[in-house]
Amino acid sequence: GESVGLHLPTLSVQEGDNSIINCAYSNSASDYFIWYKQESGKGPQFIIDIRSNMDKRQGQRVTVLLNKTVKHLSLQIAATQPGDSAVYFCAGIFNFGNEKLTFGTGTRLTIIP
Amino acid sequence: NAGVTQTPKFRVLKTGQSMTLLCAQDMNHEYMYWYRQDPGMGLRLIHYSVGEGTTAKGEVPDGYNVSRLKKQNFLLGLESAAPSQTSVYFCASSYARGEVGNQPQHFGDGTRLSIL
Repeated sequence: GESVGLHLPTLSVQEGDNSIINCAYSNSASDYFIWYKQESGKGPQFIIDIRSNMDKRQGQRVTVLLNKTVKHLSLQIAATQPGDSAVYFCAGIFNFGNEKLTFGTGTRLTIIP
Repeated sequence: NAGVTQTPKFRVLKTGQSMTLLCAQDMNHEYMYWYRQDPGMGLRLIHYSVGEGTTAKGEVPDGYNVSRLKKQNFLLGLESAAPSQTSVYFCASSYARGEVGNQPQHFGDGTRLSIL
């Protein structure tokens, strides 16, 4: 079956630096990927998504890169701020026509002031 | 605009008790979902619904039932609570897949449930 995993459970970055959070998936029949941010005591918050017909998508201070050849997804956050400290999840929908999101286990990003 | 609202926020149950978690969304989303989140395991899908009156099983459906009588509400029931159901439960909703493909799911802030 499909699975999604994050490379590192924790990541610490100096405030103002860029951060990169990585994610790998095992099913090549991927359709759609999402990055979520979850702060303590809150639900996952949508950050950015990307469809399988794209390699890159940019938002405000965030960029998602999708490499279908090596089944790898990354989230880049530019000029990190203290408010970026949270757990970040990648999630994917596998098999076209499916509504089910499969989540990775999350990376805890800590911004060092 | 409240988005996705879950009630209650916290609850403690004894083994064998029953309860219903309520999820309400005001975004006119067609699809709704229930997940559970446990330490080190990410979010796992319990049940979901693609429209009023329809439900389907997710990854971990055993011990739970759901109902979608109104488009804006999705109820999760525990008929006989077990300690293994201690978790944080999240509800989410999204627009239907449509011509452009899948749409992002938007989450509530969760219900923290402890079964003693």
